Amino acid sequence: KQEVTQIPAALSVPEGENLVLNCSFTDSAIYNLQWFRQDPGKGLTSLLLIQSSQREQTSGRLNASLDKSSGRSTLYIAASQPGDSATYLCAPNNQGGKLIFGQGTELSVKP
Amino acid sequence: DGGITQSPKYLFRKEGQNVTLSCEQNLNHDAMYWYRQDPGQGLRLIYYSQIVNDFQKGDIAEGYSVSREKKESFPLTVTSAQKNPTAFYLCASRIEHVNTEAFFGQGTRLTVV
Repeated sequence: KQEVTQIPAALSVPEGENLVLNCSFTDSAIYNLQWFRQDPGKGLTSLLLIQSSQREQTSGRLNASLDKSSGRSTLYIAASQPGDSATYLCAPNNQGGKLIFGQGTELSVKP
Repeated sequence: DGGITQSPKYLFRKEGQNVTLSCEQNLNHDAMYWYRQDPGQGLRLIYYSQIVNDFQKGDIAEGYSVSREKKESFPLTVTSAQKNPTAFYLCASRIEHVNTEAFFGQGTRLTVV
């Protein structure tokens, strides 16, 4: 059974810092991995989808990497801004087609 | 504009009642999903549907029921058999049920009073 762990659980940084959020998963037989952002009381917004054949995927200040064999993905946020404050969730997509979620990293960026 | 619409945003239910949460998408997606989110926990899969007139149980299906009579609609009924229904419910869809990007609605917060 796929288990997903996100470290750290919470992170508070001053504006402008570069950040790394970590995601590890136990079953490496995945099609892809998706990173989401969730604002309080809201739904999930898709940030990046990285296929199992890819090593990296970039969108603006966000860069996601995937090491499928070791069961790890990282989300790199460059030059963080207060508007980046949210909970970030990773979800590997198993071969059964199910997205399995970690508990997320709650990020706070202070002005 | 295209997207996933969940309604209502807030729902209050008395103990012993069934309630139905609505999820509609105009993205022409085949696959649709229902998740439950509790404070401090990740999302847990309740039910999913890969195609019209077909659906499968997720990890926590007990006390819930669904239907998929139309491609664009996937309503979730929370029955009186669900012992702890107070939670945030999220609906998602994607083009096909395997390796495509998933998109989420804005959620429905259900409270038992």
